Amino acid sequence: AQTVTQSQPEMSVQEAETVTLSCTYDTSESDYYLFWYKQPPSRQMILVIRQEAYKQQNATENRFSVNFQKAAKSFSLKISDSQLGDAAMYFCAYRSALVGGGADGLTFGKGTHLIIQP
Amino acid sequence: GAVVSQHPSRVICKSGTSVKIECRSLDFQATTMFWYRQFPKQSLMLMATSNEGSKATYEQGVEKDKFLINHASLTLSTLTVTSAHPEDSSFYICSADEWTSATTDTQYFGPGTRLTVL
Repeated sequence: AQTVTQSQPEMSVQEAETVTLSCTYDTSESDYYLFWYKQPPSRQMILVIRQEAYKQQNATENRFSVNFQKAAKSFSLKISDSQLGDAAMYFCAYRSALVGGGADGLTFGKGTHLIIQP
Repeated sequence: GAVVSQHPSRVICKSGTSVKIECRSLDFQATTMFWYRQFPKQSLMLMATSNEGSKATYEQGVEKDKFLINHASLTLSTLTVTSAHPEDSSFYICSADEWTSATTDTQYFGPGTRLTVL
């Protein structure tokens, strides 16, 4: 079974600064997907960024980027120019890439509560 | 983007009664939907995978007779909590895979249903 570990229960950053959220995972699979989801107080899960394990290039989405280290099984999220609206719980998630397609559920880490200080 | 709705958004029921939660994909077809459970200040835990036209697959430790799942169409899955008890009080979230030939690696989440059992 796969596990996802987020070792930072809470992080705080000044507005406009950069913050990095850590995530490590454990798997014996070679092909999989990794995600960062944001959950604001409304509790709606919002996809921030995703990474295919077979791609060496790190994914980026505007101010959000990841540092994907497959050998180290590490998948950190960097948020640049932090904004007040970035305040939320951030969950790292793992998903198997099933042979022949199909779909599998997500395994989530415990989350990191990100606080943005004005 | 793909939208998933849930109904109701919150429900309060008496112990021993059954509650049905609906999950709908509004603008896409979903062959697979997932049900998660989230306790306060905790992460999401996958409960079951719901496949259109077939029986749901439950995660270890999830009682299939208590949490009945039906996926009768490509846009609707329902979760029925039978004979609910206070310990079933939680936040239930569904997600759906958009069925396209391009990708099945992203799940879209519903807004969740808060269940309180008195």
